Amino acid sequence: EIVLTQSPGTLSLSPGERATLSCRASQSVSSSYLAWYQQKPGQAPRLLIYETSSRASGIPDRFSGSGSATDFTLTISRLEPEDFAVYYCQQYGSSPGTFGQGTKLEI
Amino acid sequence: QVQLVQSGAEVKKPGSSVKVSCKASGGSFSTYAISWVRQAPGQGLEWMGGIIPIFGSPSYAQKFQGRVTVTTDKSMTTVFLELSSLRSEDTAVYFCLRGATTHYGPFDIWGQGTRVTISS
Repeated sequence: EIVLTQSPGTLSLSPGERATLSCRASQSVSSSYLAWYQQKPGQAPRLLIYETSSRASGIPDRFSGSGSATDFTLTISRLEPEDFAVYYCQQYGSSPGTFGQGTKLEI
Repeated sequence: QVQLVQSGAEVKKPGSSVKVSCKASGGSFSTYAISWVRQAPGQGLEWMGGIIPIFGSPSYAQKFQGRVTVTTDKSMTTVFLELSSLRSEDTAVYFCLRGATTHYGPFDIWGQGTRVTISS
């Protein structure tokens, strides 16, 4: 199975700053089937980005995704207070779909 | 907009089984893949298995083969996850999700989660 490694484990930033989260795959992700999710405490995760760079419905344009093959990035251009959460990447191009271990974005 | 509504929290003894349900509200999911993902306390997310109700053939992660069963009812409005031979490591929140493209994602609609606690 494909192992996804996210870095950093924790990212400490302030509102208004730019956040860059990394996700590295142990082998190439098929068809760029890489997604990003946001999870806040006590809530289910929410889909932010799919197919590497497509924003899900209702997601603000300050969230963007990029990358290919084994290296992927989620960028939040200007942090809002509600963006502080845990972010997971996930590949869904091959069985089983696997998730990274998460990056905690904290103030 | 379809919502996924899951059954309530469960407390089970080691060695027993648990069955969690996921019902579509406000629409149908019969042509979409419905998967189950779990999250142990303070841990990440783990895909367990899924099914496309209209086809009926489930797919499972190798880790759970032989212990997990995903089924759908005849009306194709409810999907079930059954996990057997429970052990303490199965204590987790179990989510059902709609896969927009494949069994494995991307997951655009999530249920509220069902907490399963394994305790003697």
